[in-house]
Amino acid sequence: AQKVTQAQTEISVVEKEDVTLDCVYETRDTTYYLFWYKQPPSGELVFLIRRNSFDEQNEISGRYSWNFQKSTSSFNFTITASQVVDSAVYFCALSVVDSSYKLIFGSGTRLLVRP
Amino acid sequence: DARVTQTPRHKVTEMGQEVTMRCQPILGHNTVFWYRQTMMQGLELLAYFRNRAPLDDSGMPKDRFSAEMPDATLATLKIQPSEPRDSAVYFCASGLVGGDTEAFFGQGTRLTVV
Repeated sequence: AQKVTQAQTEISVVEKEDVTLDCVYETRDTTYYLFWYKQPPSGELVFLIRRNSFDEQNEISGRYSWNFQKSTSSFNFTITASQVVDSAVYFCALSVVDSSYKLIFGSGTRLLVRP
Repeated sequence: DARVTQTPRHKVTEMGQEVTMRCQPILGHNTVFWYRQTMMQGLELLAYFRNRAPLDDSGMPKDRFSAEMPDATLATLKIQPSEPRDSAVYFCASGLVGGDTEAFFGQGTRLTVV
């Protein structure tokens, strides 16, 4: 069975601090995808990134960076120099490459960035 | 920008009434998902379709929920009869399996059953 764990329920930081959101996943499959989605207060789910299981290179996109480590089954997300607009709930998700490609979500981490 | 469109955005209904939620997936996407989000359960997969055929609806209460794709541009999720415990945000997402595999989500339908 597949599972995604986001142990941090809520994180509060002051603007300009760096913050890391943790994600640990479980799967027996060797081919899978990992995702991060952002859910701002408006409610929509915004796609941030997809990584496949064969690509462990870290990725940076502006203030966002992702650290994928298969050895620890983790796919952590770091926001550098956080801003108030980063306040949202962030979801990590796993998709196994079988017939479904369905997304299995973690419970989410609520990030509050205070001015 | 191509996007998934869901209607209505908000729905308040009385217990026992039928509710139909609609979703227009992104043109060209071959997979459609329905998710439900609640505080207690988080994001749960209710059903999904591939090339309009239902692949799995094991996440849905079968006695009251039904999902269909009458054509490639429309997916529907129906609840009959609705109950207060169905109150949630229902998301539709579409994706292209075999190509980009991220699912793009609609803005959701916030359902309140009173």
